[in-house]
Parts: sequence; C-alpha cells; structure tokens
Amino acid sequence: SAVISQKPSRDICQRGTSLTIQCQVDSQVTMMFWYRQQPGQSLTLIATANQGSEATYESGFVIDKFPISRPNLTFSTLTVSNMSPEDSSIYLCSVDRVSPRQGDYGYTFGSGTRLTVV
Amino acid sequence: QKEVEQNSGPLSVPEGAIASLNCTYSDRGSQSFFWYRQYSGKSPELIMSIYSNGDKEDGRFTAQLNKASQYVSLLIRDSQPSDSATYLCAVPSGNTPLVFGKGTRLSVIA
Repeated sequence: SAVISQKPSRDICQRGTSLTIQCQVDSQVTMMFWYRQQPGQSLTLIATANQGSEATYESGFVIDKFPISRPNLTFSTLTVSNMSPEDSSIYLCSVDRVSPRQGDYGYTFGSGTRLTVV
Repeated sequence: QKEVEQNSGPLSVPEGAIASLNCTYSDRGSQSFFWYRQYSGKSPELIMSIYSNGDKEDGRFTAQLNKASQYVSLLIRDSQPSDSATYLCAVPSGNTPLVFGKGTRLSVIA
C-alpha cells in the first residue's frame, strides 16, 4: 500500500497570493493526481502529473492558475496562484496503488490541504 | 460528459439495520467501480472495489454491480454509528482516473 504525505494540512491565505501544496509518496508511482473538493461538493480532478512531462489538465483548469511540478517519481507540488475566495477548497493528491484494505486495488488519497482564502 | 449519480441523502438508518447506497453511471465502457467513505474533515478512504457483475462481500460491506443497468450499490449490514459518513461512488471514465458522484450522506442512529 502507498503512504501519502501531504502538506500543509491547512492554511489561510490572503487573496492575490499563491500557495504551494506538496505531496510525497513512499514508493515510486507513474502518475499522481490532484483533486479539488469545494465545500459540500464531491471531488473534481484538476490534473494528472507524470514525471518528465507536463501535467494534463481537465476542462476548466489551466496551468497558469494551477501550475504543477513532478520532479521525480515520489513527489509532486500543486500551486494555487493568484488566489480568490472561490479557491477555498480542500485539495487532495492521489495515486493508484493497492489499498490497505485487503489488497483492493484503487486510488489512495493524501490527507488533504484545507485552504481558506480571505 | 461522463456522469456518476448518487442520492445526496441524508440516508438515516437505525443501528443494526442494513444501509443501501445506490449509484448509476453513464459510461457503458467503465470496467471498474469504487466505493469510498469520507468522514467529515477527512480524505476519502477506499472501502470496496468491484469489477464483475454480481456481488462482492467484505465483512459487513457488499458491493453489487449490474453493468447492463449501469448500476452499482453498496450494502452495509449491521450498521453502526461509526458508519455515519459520506459514501462516494467513483468510476474511471475514458482518460479520467476517477469520476466521483456527489456522495450520499449516511446517518446511523443509535
């Protein structure tokens, strides 16, 4: 199973600033995924990060707003740029790995970053 | 746009009862299906995956899949107050690793 460390766990930021979220996996993975969960909503995929290539963004998300780095097979960062209150969400990284639960294969999530923009 | 639909709830069941959570999906090509549990303020936790038509049991949890009807469900037997959470159905679709439903909020009443 994969252990994912994500930080910061929460932050309160001023509008117009940027925040970089880090995600560290305890084993090498080909792809890492970044999700957003707005208050009271489900998860929406922002982008897929592959090592050695540019991230692939989903419709509605652009690199200028959410730049992603993937310097190696165990680490990725997501930056939320020029923040506004609408960016207040939980941001989660995810990898596809065997889950701790009886060896079920699936997608495992980091603990999340709760971002509040004021 | 590929979609995953769930009743938002809340679904309230008494302790010890069976909770039944339902999910429909639009992509007929989907081959794998996942149920996640998310406690308030926590990240989603995988509780069950299912790939073949029929039932898959794991302890008090049973996932049921009917690809012809594009329907997947999760049964929780002997529901406990600790099962109170939001249950998310998720389905890979095309190049998207997981498309999530909006989740069903379950409340188990002691």
